[in-house]
Amino acid sequence: AQSVAQPEDQVNVAEGNPLTVKCTYSVSGNPYLFWYVQYPNRGLQFLLKYITGDNLVKGSYGFEAEFNKSQTSFHLKKPSALVSDSALYFCAVRDRNSGNTPLVFGKGTRLSVIA
Amino acid sequence: DADVTQTPRNRITKTGKRIMLECSQTKGHDRMYWYRQDPGLGLRLIYYSFDVKDINKGEISDGYSVSRQAQAKFSLSLESAIPNQTALYFCATSDFANTEAFFGQGTRLTVV
Repeated sequence: AQSVAQPEDQVNVAEGNPLTVKCTYSVSGNPYLFWYVQYPNRGLQFLLKYITGDNLVKGSYGFEAEFNKSQTSFHLKKPSALVSDSALYFCAVRDRNSGNTPLVFGKGTRLSVIA
Repeated sequence: DADVTQTPRNRITKTGKRIMLECSQTKGHDRMYWYRQDPGLGLRLIYYSFDVKDINKGEISDGYSVSRQAQAKFSLSLESAIPNQTALYFCATSDFANTEAFFGQGTRLTVV
C-alpha cells in the first residue's frame, strides 16, 4: 500500500526567510511524487512533480523539491517566502510499479508566512 | 472556462435526502476521481474511474455511489445524506500515471 506523511500540521515562517514543508512517503516500488497548493475557497493547484531523473525538481512560483530515495522524502522548499505563499500544501504519491492506482494524499500542511 | 467543472459549488441538504454532485471535464482525460476533504484529514479517495466502463471504490466509498456517464462526466451521489458527510468534495482528472491530476473548484456540502 502507498502512503504519505506530512509531519507538520502548521509551518510558520517570516517573509523573506527560506521555507521547508516536509513530506515522507511509503510505496512498495518506485514513486511518482507531487506537490499541490490550495488557497482559500479554491481547488488544488499543481506545483511540481518528480517522475525520474534529477532529484531536484523546480516548479511554479519559485518552489522546488528534492527527492531523497534513501530517506523516502520529498520536501518542498523555497529560498525566500512571500506572504502570498500562505496556503495549504499537499504532498501526494503514486506507486510507479503498481499499475493503475490513484494518487494518495497527505493530510496537508498549513503554511503561514508572516510579514 | 474551467477545465474541470463541479456543480453545485455549495449545497445545503437535509438528512436522508438524495443528492448528486456533478463533474465535467474538457481535458479529454480518461481517469476521473472523487475526493473528500475534511479539516485535518487531508483528501480521501471516494471513487475513481479509469475509463467509462471502469469504476473502483476508494478508501471511503460507503454511503456513496458514482456514475460515469461519458468520458467527460463523472457524478457522485449520496443516496441518503447524513451529517458526517458534510465536507468539501473535489473532482479530479488525470491522463497517465506519471502526470498530475487537475482539480475542480470543489463542492461544499452541508448536511443538516
